[in-house]
Amino acid sequence: AQSVSQHNHHVILSEAASLELGCNYSYGGTVNLFWYVQYPGQHLQLLLKYFSGDPLVKGIKGFEAEFIKSKFSFNLRKPSVQWSDTAEYFCAVNTNAGKSTFGDGTTLTVKP
Amino acid sequence: GAGVSQSPSNKVTEKGKDVELRCDPISGHTALYWYRQRLGQGLEFLIYFQGNSAPDKSGLPSDRFSAERTGESVSTLTIQRTQQEDSAVYLCASSLARFGEAFFGQGTRLTVV
Repeated sequence: AQSVSQHNHHVILSEAASLELGCNYSYGGTVNLFWYVQYPGQHLQLLLKYFSGDPLVKGIKGFEAEFIKSKFSFNLRKPSVQWSDTAEYFCAVNTNAGKSTFGDGTTLTVKP
Repeated sequence: GAGVSQSPSNKVTEKGKDVELRCDPISGHTALYWYRQRLGQGLEFLIYFQGNSAPDKSGLPSDRFSAERTGESVSTLTIQRTQQEDSAVYLCASSLARFGEAFFGQGTRLTVV
């Protein structure tokens, strides 16, 4: 069965700092990978996704993620965070036509 | 509708009562998920429906929890004899299974008093 591991439970950064949130998954076959974000008081929404092609994908609000197949990783990055990026971030993996599995989430707090 | 709709948005119930939560997925989405999110915690998978296949119930925490889905439409999550530890936000999501992008509803906040 597939599983997703997010290494950081809670990350605290100052504005303009760089961000990298780790995500590793366990599944030997083809996967689709996602990052979702949940802003305070809002519902979960898609941040970015990888299906195939260029392993570096760009999402909304300056976020990007890199799929490294050999490391089973899909880390989320942003060069310079803003206070408005304070949210909970979830990594997820979907095996074509199969069930999506989510990580436990990482809470990001950005101090102004 | 345009998105996943859940009702009610808030539910307060007395311990021991049964509750029923409803999810209207996006039309045409074959996959439907229920998750539970306790305060300050991650997503806890409950159940997964995919088309006409038998549902994956592996996440249901006890036999007090059950869910149904009629075809590829509405789903209901039922919690019998509610307990205080059932208090949480219950999230529903739907997707076109072959692509996997999940669209979430706004959730039902359940409070058991």
